[in-house]
Order: sequence, then structure tokens, then C-alpha cells
Amino acid sequence: DTGVSQNPRHKITKRGQNVTFRCDPISEHNRLYWYRQTLGQGPEFLTYFQNEAQLEKSRLLSDRFSAERPKGSFSTLEIQRTEQGDSAMYLCASNSVNTEAFFGQGTRLTVV
Amino acid sequence: QKEVEQDPGPLSVPEGAIVSLNCTYSNSAFQYFMWYRQYSRKGPELLMYTYSSGNKEDGRFTAQVDKSSKYISLFIRDSQPSDSATYLCAIPGAQKLVFGQGTRLTINP
Repeated sequence: DTGVSQNPRHKITKRGQNVTFRCDPISEHNRLYWYRQTLGQGPEFLTYFQNEAQLEKSRLLSDRFSAERPKGSFSTLEIQRTEQGDSAMYLCASNSVNTEAFFGQGTRLTVV
Repeated sequence: QKEVEQDPGPLSVPEGAIVSLNCTYSNSAFQYFMWYRQYSRKGPELLMYTYSSGNKEDGRFTAQVDKSSKYISLFIRDSQPSDSATYLCAIPGAQKLVFGQGTRLTINP
């Protein structure tokens, strides 16, 4: 399978704990995006990488959130001191310029 | 005002019915319009995209854009139970996609 891969698929964590998600984009794609989707809502943009450079961050990305894309390949999204409001599906997408964005299956986070 | 607004439904129709899904948008500068389909517990997948005004047909699916009223529609003919999913309209902005809320559609056999 050469699509966008996200791990883990599900994560349950206690409030206050740190969590990290991983996204492996399609190998030839240099652009990578993170979105958050809550129940009954459309995906909301969080951040965008072109190669290893993080070029845009949404104001939704509070100080507790950090994303990296070392070497312009896979990306990680870390949430520190999780809160119940962080419970959501975290989606990763990748593309190249002027091509369709492909989404992964998402990581579903539940904060208890 | 949100950039893209979509009636969340849910919408339930019998198999074979014609389905109409709609979105409105606020920025008249938008030129590209997309429809994504999202099955339960999966990521969105691109279904269709259109440029500017007019219709685009792909099999049982037709996407329509009316720029004068800032209204975009997706029609599904001869709907099938496998069409049951959430349908998201999306507009590409700078470096990101702006999604509507999504309409949850169920096709009943």
C-alpha cells in the first residue's frame, strides 16, 4: 500500500499526558498537511510543511501542539498536556504542487 | 461568517433516489471547488472537482457551480447503499483546503 499511512489508528490517553502521532506521506510528495476533525464537523487545517519547512500554522495550533517533519519525509504531531477538548480525529494529507491531496485514515484520539 | 457552509443533515433516502447535496461559500474569488467522500472511520477521498461555473459529470455524479449565488451542488443519480457516507465540499485556499461541515448521507436498500 503506497498511500498515506498514519499511526497509531487509535489512541486513548489520560488528561495531562503527552501523545505523539506519526504520518508517512506518499514518498514522492513534498507537501504534508495536518488537519483535525471533530465529530460532525469537517476537517480543520492545523499546519503545512513543504519538504522539512513548516510554512503555515493555524491559530488552532496552540502552544501545546508541535509538529515536525525532519528530512522532509515522515512527520510527527505532538500534543503536550492533553485536554478533553483535544479528542478528535487527526488527519494527515500529502501532495505535490498542482496535484490532488491524499488523506490518511487518521488517528483517533480520546482523552479521558 | 464561515468561508464554506454546508447543511450537516443527516440525509436519508431510498435506493435509486436522486440526491442533492449543497454548499455555499463567502469569497467570490474562489475558483476551484471540490467534493470529498468520507466513509466512517476513514480519511476523506476526492470525488470530484470543478473549476469556475458550470457542470461536471462523472458517471452517476454531477458537480455544479453557480458563482453568481456562491452555491455549489453535488447530485447523485441512481443512488446506491454504497454511496452512504459523509460528503464534504472543500475549497482550496492558500496552502490548505477549507472544508464544509459535511453532510451525512444514508441510502436505504
